[in-house]
Amino acid sequence: EPEVTQTPSHQVTQMGQEVILRCVPISNHLYFYWYRQILGQKVEFLVSFYNNEISEKSEIFDDQFSVERPDGSNFTLKIRSTKLEDSAMYFCASRIQSMTQYFGPGTRLLVL
Amino acid sequence: GESVGLHLPTLSVQEGDNSIINCAYSNSASDYFIWYKQESGKGPQFIIDIRSNMDKRQGQRVTVLLNKTVKHLSLQIAATQPGDSAVYFCAENIRGGATNKLIFGTGTLLAVQP
Repeated sequence: EPEVTQTPSHQVTQMGQEVILRCVPISNHLYFYWYRQILGQKVEFLVSFYNNEISEKSEIFDDQFSVERPDGSNFTLKIRSTKLEDSAMYFCASRIQSMTQYFGPGTRLLVL
Repeated sequence: GESVGLHLPTLSVQEGDNSIINCAYSNSASDYFIWYKQESGKGPQFIIDIRSNMDKRQGQRVTVLLNKTVKHLSLQIAATQPGDSAVYFCAENIRGGATNKLIFGTGTLLAVQP
């Protein structure tokens, strides 16, 4: 069964460093998302992406965040200058025309 | 505003019993709802969904009930098994622009006792 995959599974970085989180959505999917989950809290929407552009972004998704679909398979989330409060699980999700979003296993980001 | 370090509601059941997990949603315009299961260290896993024009939908061992009058969802799991132990989230679909986004509930920890 096709799955959303994410790399790396864990990332430790120093405050102020740039990180790139990678996702490979399900191959025929058209809509792509990033969510995050701070430890012990609920999953929060960050950004949606369709037709090679951002469709919607939340207040969390400030100028330090960017997304890119550099080729036909990868979907990346970049944080330019990480802060302590960026420590969280980051989930990628994708869907086709139906509304069901399928989630990847997540990347655990720890900012020291 | 958001709470820091939310304390998850917990439902503890015996193996073989039925479980009912409840969720309140906030947006009257939400047109689609999903229940996700999240095991420790993993991403949310789709369980079952329901559109707003339905009251009930059944899957294998799971049933979702939707009460739009009081903006309430429930997930019923029949004959609960130890493998069902996880955090369960309801999510409401919000339409926005060309895409949709999911707004997740707080989550309920289901603990199945063997």
